[in-house]
Amino acid sequence: DQQVKQNSPSLSVQEGRISILNCDYTNSMFDYFLWYKKYPAEGPTFLISISSIKDKNEDGRFTVFLNKSAKHLSLHIVPSQPGDSAVYFCAASAAGGTSYGKLTFGQGTILTVHP
Amino acid sequence: DTGVSQNPRHKITKRGQNVTFRCDPISEHNRLYWYRQTLGQGPEFLTYFQNEAQLEKSRLLSDRFSAERPKGSFSTLEIQRTEQGDSAMYLCASSLAALGTEAFFGQGTRLTVV
Repeated sequence: DQQVKQNSPSLSVQEGRISILNCDYTNSMFDYFLWYKKYPAEGPTFLISISSIKDKNEDGRFTVFLNKSAKHLSLHIVPSQPGDSAVYFCAASAAGGTSYGKLTFGQGTILTVHP
Repeated sequence: DTGVSQNPRHKITKRGQNVTFRCDPISEHNRLYWYRQTLGQGPEFLTYFQNEAQLEKSRLLSDRFSAERPKGSFSTLEIQRTEQGDSAMYLCASSLAALGTEAFFGQGTRLTVV
């Protein structure tokens, strides 16, 4: 069963505009959420994270929003730049037991930012 | 370079052969994870270590797969009697064993079984 879902396989955005990437999860034990960016032939690179005690975390052009009641999070990139073109993965972990740090990933969303 | 290092970057092997991959984590990280990624999917958890202890293994990890972290530093992932379905990107990540810390990934080993 897919506990973390990214329902949009791809997103195309004009440079300078906002990119919004969405992620839904089903496991209520998840309490820490991360976004990773991945370029072809490279490993995922950490972008931004949010704890379940918050509903927003901001880092420069990147903001992550968490709606716990809806089990939904989103990543906003403003303004979008061509260098942001990559695959974006949403990931989640649960604090219970020793499993914290073990990540469950979504399928990824391919973001293309056009000049 | 103080990031996570994986070797080799690419491996082509014939079906039935054994392969071994190596991961060198960030030196101060006591947690080390192995993930597998296939085309169009996100990384899937395989196993992880805290220091030298293997704490959890996914049901995806058949008995042909074995991982070790003998001295709590580098780790190896061995696949015996490879099958075509084992073709994937194998990713290693490391982190501190603390709540709210992110994992840092290596560049991965691309395995192709022919």
